[in-house]
Amino acid sequence: GENVEQHPSTLSVQEGDSAVIKCTYSDSASNYFPWYKQELGKGPQLIIDIRSNVGEKKDQRIAVTLNKTAKHFSLHITETQPEDSAVYFCAASDPNTGNQFYFGTGTSLTVIP
Amino acid sequence: DVKVTQSSRYLVKRTGEKVFLECVQDMDHENMFWYRQDPGLGLRLIYFSYDVKMKEKGDIPEGYSVSREKKERFSLILESASTNQTSMYLCASSQDRGLGQPQHFGDGTRLSIL
Repeated sequence: GENVEQHPSTLSVQEGDSAVIKCTYSDSASNYFPWYKQELGKGPQLIIDIRSNVGEKKDQRIAVTLNKTAKHFSLHITETQPEDSAVYFCAASDPNTGNQFYFGTGTSLTVIP
Repeated sequence: DVKVTQSSRYLVKRTGEKVFLECVQDMDHENMFWYRQDPGLGLRLIYFSYDVKMKEKGDIPEGYSVSREKKERFSLILESASTNQTSMYLCASSQDRGLGQPQHFGDGTRLSIL
């Protein structure tokens, strides 16, 4: 099955700096890559996603890039703010089962005011 | 907005008890999922369902079963709870099958088995 690795496990940045979280996947057939943000005491919330026919997608301060050849994708957060502090998860979708996701182990992001 | 509601935020049970975790979604989604979340291990899929009365095993189904009698409701059952099932349990739902669709999560049930 699919294997998703996520790095780093923890990340601290100064407010206003950029943060980058990277994920790799093993199954070249995976075709959908969502990113989730989980705040304390809440469930994961989708923040951005990308499909395999697109190399980059941006939504305000958040962007995701996908390199299908290298089988890795990254989350970029610019101009970080304290409210960006949370745990972030990447995932890859198994096309053989449609909507089954394989998640990375998470990155705890702390934005220091 | 999609709303996925898990019946309990916190639950404390004893070893050997039969435990029911309930999840309801209000968007008529076909797919529903149960995950457990443990520090350093991310989210691991226990069971999922593509339709009423249909279920498929995920990566860690041992010690669990599920029930989906109605489209909007997906129940996770711990047949005989053990301490290693102490965890955060997350329910999710998504639309359709085929091309990837985002999963929408509830806020979780933190289950402690004593």
